[in-house]
Amino acid sequence: GQQLNQSPQSMFIQEGEDVSMNCTSSSIFNTWLWYKQEPGEGPVLLIALYKAGELTSNGRLTAQFGITRKDSFLNISASIPSDVGIYFCAGRPPNDYKLSFGAGTTVTVRA
Amino acid sequence: DTAVSQTPKYLVTQMGNDKSIKCEQNLGHDTMYWYKQDSKKFLKIMFSYNNKELIINETVPNRFSPKSPDKAHLNLHINSLELGDSAVYFCASSQGANTGELFFGEGSRLTVL
Repeated sequence: GQQLNQSPQSMFIQEGEDVSMNCTSSSIFNTWLWYKQEPGEGPVLLIALYKAGELTSNGRLTAQFGITRKDSFLNISASIPSDVGIYFCAGRPPNDYKLSFGAGTTVTVRA
Repeated sequence: DTAVSQTPKYLVTQMGNDKSIKCEQNLGHDTMYWYKQDSKKFLKIMFSYNNKELIINETVPNRFSPKSPDKAHLNLHINSLELGDSAVYFCASSQGANTGELFFGEGSRLTVL
């Protein structure tokens, strides 16, 4: 699959802070997605993006499909303790079934 | 009522043994997947079936053999287990092969001693 560069690798954040993470690819994608994985569970889809420039929200989460189709970011506003987990970006290139995942951003919230 | 369920959740076994992990989805999806998550949490696709037909077969040792008896089930059989096979294996399903909207199971943690 395609290589995705996700950053930061980890972050410690204060409760109430806004945080941002992003993902880049060397080639274009048709779909960008963001998943969250909590300990002992499988990843759960947060947001799916299908068009360049698309900005989509899900509660306190907002994600954007970059205009170049080679990047995406995820923002979490007013973080709370249950935001703890690993956030994965994922993307699907044109004419390819394979979904590639980033290496994940581990979020730890300080109360 | 669990959407994607896999068994067993934990599996501890000796090197050289053969083991299977089973997966079932009750979402009516056409496509199912096996992913491997290593100790660094990296998720790597192994196989995918669409309507019981193999559509993704990544470079994995041929000791790993998937089987899809019907659309709702995708099992993973591993022969001659090695230490490096220790990982968490996730089953997932999606409505079709062209969507990235996957529903994951809870994972099966395999430990090879």
